[in-house]
Amino acid sequence: DIQMTQSPSTLSASVGDRVTITCRASQSINSWLAWYQQKPGKAPKLLIYNTSFLESGVPSRFSGSGSGTEFALTISSLQPDDFSTYFCQHWYGYTWTFGQGTKVEIK
Amino acid sequence: ELQLVESGGDLVQPGGSLRLSCAASSFAFTGYWMHWVRQVPGKGLMWVSHVNTEGGTTYADSVKGRFTISRDNAKSTVYLQMNSLRVEDTAKYYCARGRVGGFDMWGQGTMVTVSS
Repeated sequence: DIQMTQSPSTLSASVGDRVTITCRASQSINSWLAWYQQKPGKAPKLLIYNTSFLESGVPSRFSGSGSGTEFALTISSLQPDDFSTYFCQHWYGYTWTFGQGTKVEIK
Repeated sequence: ELQLVESGGDLVQPGGSLRLSCAASSFAFTGYWMHWVRQVPGKGLMWVSHVNTEGGTTYADSVKGRFTISRDNAKSTVYLQMNSLRVEDTAKYYCARGRVGGFDMWGQGTMVTVSS
C-alpha cells in the first residue's frame, strides 16, 4: 500500500504569510493527488485536484504542485479564514489514502 | 440545493450491526461514484468504501468482509451496512461524491459509537 505522509503536522503562521504544506508518497505516484481543507465540526472541502487544478470557487491564493513522491499545497498569503486542517489524498487501484493532516494555527 | 444527508448513526455494542444511509439531492446521482469516509473525532480521515455507477465496490482492508456498500439509484441513496462492529470502528462517518480527481461534495456526517 502507498502511504502518504504530510509535513509538518502543525504549522504556526501569521496573516499574510506564504505557507507550504508537503505530502510525500512512499513510492512514486501518478497525478491523482487532491487537497482538502477541514474546519472544526465541518466536513472536508475539496481545494485542489489532480495535483494542481483549483476547484471551482476556491480562492486563487491556493495552489498545488509536485510530481513523483513530493507534492505541495501553497497558500500565497494566509487569510483569517485559512486557519484550518489540511489533508492530502491519493487515489490508486480503486483505493483512496489520506495523509494524516496538517493543522495551520495562528502564530 | 445540492446536498448529501447521512443518517443511521447510533450507539451499538461490539459485535453488533448498523446500517448508514446517505440521501442525495439535486444532482444526477446515477452518474457519480459514491464513497464513505470516516474520522475519529480530532483525528485524520480514513477512506472506507466506494461504489461505482454500475454497483462495483471496493473496501479498505480494515473493513473488508464486515462492511457492505450499496446504492439505490431510484432513491438516490447510498448505504453502508456495518456488521461485526468493533470499538475501533467508532467514528463520524461521512458520505462523499466522487469524481475524477477528488471528492467534491460531502455530507455533514453521522456518528457511530461502538461501546459496551
